[in-house]
Amino acid sequence: AQSVTQLGSHVSVSEGALVLLRCNYSSSVPPYLFWYVQYPNQGLQLLLKYTSAATLVKGINGFEAEFKKSETSFHLTKPSAHMSDAAEYFCAVSDTGNQFYFGTGTSLTVIP
Amino acid sequence: GAVVSQHPSRVICKSGTSVKIECRSLDFQATTMFWYRQFPKQSLMLMATSNEGSKATYEQGVEKDKFLINHASLTLSTLTVTSAHPEDSSFYICSALRPGGSYEQYFGPGTRLTVT
Repeated sequence: AQSVTQLGSHVSVSEGALVLLRCNYSSSVPPYLFWYVQYPNQGLQLLLKYTSAATLVKGINGFEAEFKKSETSFHLTKPSAHMSDAAEYFCAVSDTGNQFYFGTGTSLTVIP
Repeated sequence: GAVVSQHPSRVICKSGTSVKIECRSLDFQATTMFWYRQFPKQSLMLMATSNEGSKATYEQGVEKDKFLINHASLTLSTLTVTSAHPEDSSFYICSALRPGGSYEQYFGPGTRLTVT
């Protein structure tokens, strides 16, 4: 069975500060891992993905995530938050690439 | 990026009626499309996997006779909510899986269903 846990349903950071959104996964096989961003009343947009290549993955808008097998984690980071980063962020896992399971999401607020 | 459209974006229907939501992959042919349901301030719940030319695979607890999925072409999947009830009110999102092993889903903008 696959599952994703996102610690912290709400995260607030100051503009320019480090963004850290946490994601831990459970999978019986090496997983594929994803981070998506969702703006209000919109669908999801892929930020980045890990598919067993490099463990440090760079995505769009300055985000990156590191796959740590020993910690079963795939935390999302950005060195400097921008106001436009305020959104809902979802971590997702798949073991086959054919079914995807999402975490409960983290709402990011950026304080000016 | 790839574009997936959904129609309608919002729909209000009366209890007992049926509603059809269309999901189109505009940039590539999608053998596999997914349907999700999202409650306010919550995550996406996978409802079913739609495979072109075959029956959809439903997740546990999702009524296949209530949520009818048809994937008749490589660019179109439809979700029909039959005999809708107020508890079916939700945000429904579809996605198309890009073929070729990229494991990338492209999401539609969602459909807000309100059943009165």
